[in-house]
Amino acid sequence: DIQMTQSSSSLSASVGDRVTITCRASQSISSYLNWYQQKPGKAPNLVIYAASSLQSGVPLRFSGSGSGADYTLTISSLEPEDFATYYCQQSYSTPYTFGQGTKLEIK
Amino acid sequence: QVQLQESGPGLVKPSGTLSLTCAVSGGSISSRNWWSWVRQPPGKGLQWIGDIYHGGSTNYNPSLRSRVTISVDKSRNQFSLTLNSVTAADTAVYYCARVDYYDKRFDPWGQGTLVTVSS
Repeated sequence: DIQMTQSSSSLSASVGDRVTITCRASQSISSYLNWYQQKPGKAPNLVIYAASSLQSGVPLRFSGSGSGADYTLTISSLEPEDFATYYCQQSYSTPYTFGQGTKLEIK
Repeated sequence: QVQLQESGPGLVKPSGTLSLTCAVSGGSISSRNWWSWVRQPPGKGLQWIGDIYHGGSTNYNPSLRSRVTISVDKSRNQFSLTLNSVTAADTAVYYCARVDYYDKRFDPWGQGTLVTVSS
């Protein structure tokens, strides 16, 4: 199985901050990397797919980058509604696997 | 706009069988997509269970393969999950999701259904 490791389990930030969440795969996953936002009691919501493609309807302050085994999700200027848990996921090969999640909290 | 809705019992006894259905609306299950199940134990992360294509091809997580079956019912535009010999460790919110055939993005997701394994 491909292991996905997010650098932080939690992150504190303020409204207006620029935030970067990183994710590392145990091998190259050729940009088959998705990012999801999950709020309490809700299903995950796709934010970025194929490493850098913005899902329709997602604000432009979200962006993704990376290649090989290393990927990042950046929020350019945090809004109150962005405080949530973010998961990376590799869809390069089955079993598809997720990172452990990064909880973005208000400082 | 495609929507997914999970349904099934919220309580299953230990050693019993968990059975859930995901109804697809606003689109055809015979479209060029895979259809997946993902679960999330309370307070924990996400685990992919498996997926199915409308032709019947399946992929399963090896950690669950011996206990899992995913099937599709094209006439009802739905797919189903069966998990045998459940224990408390199978207590989780179960989600269904559409998986794009080409880029393998998971979107949309159902709202999720909590299944508790308890006597």
